Amino acid sequence: LAKTTQPISMDSYEGQEVNITCSHNNIATNDYITWYQQFPSQGPRFIIQGYKTKVTNEVASLFIPADRKSSTLSLPRVSLSDTAVYYCLVGEMGTGFQKLVFGTGTRLLVSP
Amino acid sequence: GEEVAQTPKHLVRGEGQKAKLYCAPIKGHSYVFWYQQVLKNEFKFLISFQNENVFDETGMPKERFSAKCLPNSPCSLEIQATKLEDSAVYFCASSQLIGPNTEAFFGQGTRLTVV
Repeated sequence: LAKTTQPISMDSYEGQEVNITCSHNNIATNDYITWYQQFPSQGPRFIIQGYKTKVTNEVASLFIPADRKSSTLSLPRVSLSDTAVYYCLVGEMGTGFQKLVFGTGTRLLVSP
Repeated sequence: GEEVAQTPKHLVRGEGQKAKLYCAPIKGHSYVFWYQQVLKNEFKFLISFQNENVFDETGMPKERFSAKCLPNSPCSLEIQATKLEDSAVYFCASSQLIGPNTEAFFGQGTRLTVV
């Protein structure tokens, strides 16, 4: 399973766009990239998933370059409630993910 | 139910005592996963089930940890003879399928404190 590297923490202000980059240099052909969000005292919550290029949903965008060795989670116009830990995961989703492998995550602090 | 329900929310045990944690997956979900989260956000995969069958148990410390998912019952994770280092938040997750675009839904966790 590919290992991921993310910044330990990031700071932002309300209304700004936040981009969190994750490195996964040894990502395998069958690996998908998934991002989860975790608030204090809660379980992780799925945000977005992609394989290549760009994926967008109602809460975020995920940018994946052609070599897939990194990915960037983009949160548009963050609010105070986006303060959380964000995890980047890579894993095989073809024949099935037997498990999600979490890194240490990025702690995002959004200030007024 | 529409969410993964974990009980209890908090559990305190003396060293050497047994701890049992429960997880009710979302109705219709065939896969259940257990994770241990210790300090600094680190998650450790423990075990997964496909219905009542063990799917992957490569993360389980087999000497003292065991888990079951029996039909018509909540899944359970049991720790015999707890140790101080077992103190952590234990998360259960469930998913309907495995494969691309599969989303795992996590419960709120059980915080186990071993004193």
